[in-house]
Amino acid sequence: DADVTQTPRNRITKTGKRIMLECSQTKGHDRMYWYRQDPGLGLRLIYYSFDVKDINKGEISDGYSVSRQAQAKFSLSLESAIPNQTALYFCATSDSWADSNQPQHFGDGTRLSIL
Amino acid sequence: LAKTTQPISMDSYEGQEVNITCSHNNIATNDYITWYQQFPSQGPRFIIQGYKTKVTNEVASLFIPADRKSSTLSLPRVSLSDTAVYYCLVGYMRFGAGTRLTVKP
Repeated sequence: DADVTQTPRNRITKTGKRIMLECSQTKGHDRMYWYRQDPGLGLRLIYYSFDVKDINKGEISDGYSVSRQAQAKFSLSLESAIPNQTALYFCATSDSWADSNQPQHFGDGTRLSIL
Repeated sequence: LAKTTQPISMDSYEGQEVNITCSHNNIATNDYITWYQQFPSQGPRFIIQGYKTKVTNEVASLFIPADRKSSTLSLPRVSLSDTAVYYCLVGYMRFGAGTRLTVKP
């Protein structure tokens, strides 16, 4: 979805480095999510935020942190990267009306390699 | 989290109907079931969503039995361009591992 922008699209870095992945959206959605995708495992939720003051851990939050700087921006940080965090990372957004199951809109992903 | 299970892969031919089933035994009362399509180098894209019985849109149908412990995505008359990975999502946290659909000429 062109309205959900992830930067960078690709990143290669070394073990122990601090890395920030950024996500911005122009859809006006309150809810934002970070997932990682690994072959054979599908998408697993790292963190999610239902509004600017709300941050929640997902299934696999260890080793990651997030910051919701504004409604439109949600950043994912790896404080000290390790090789098993090599994966494809996706940001997604959804509307907040009715219930928590509004369809999610995904960015095109950040491919992260940690050597 | 309880598991969401779907077949790893499926093959079909152009013009056939394809049904992909997802199992989700511990679905919560307020969980909807959503299906996404993903092409290489792109993020997943929304296909269809439902809560119970049958939902149909211009590209797919979704069948959900009364006990809601499974759901079936139905793609009518697939074409080569439907070759992709299909994911089911239960609620907003439980993605299946994806089904790689290959459509052959």
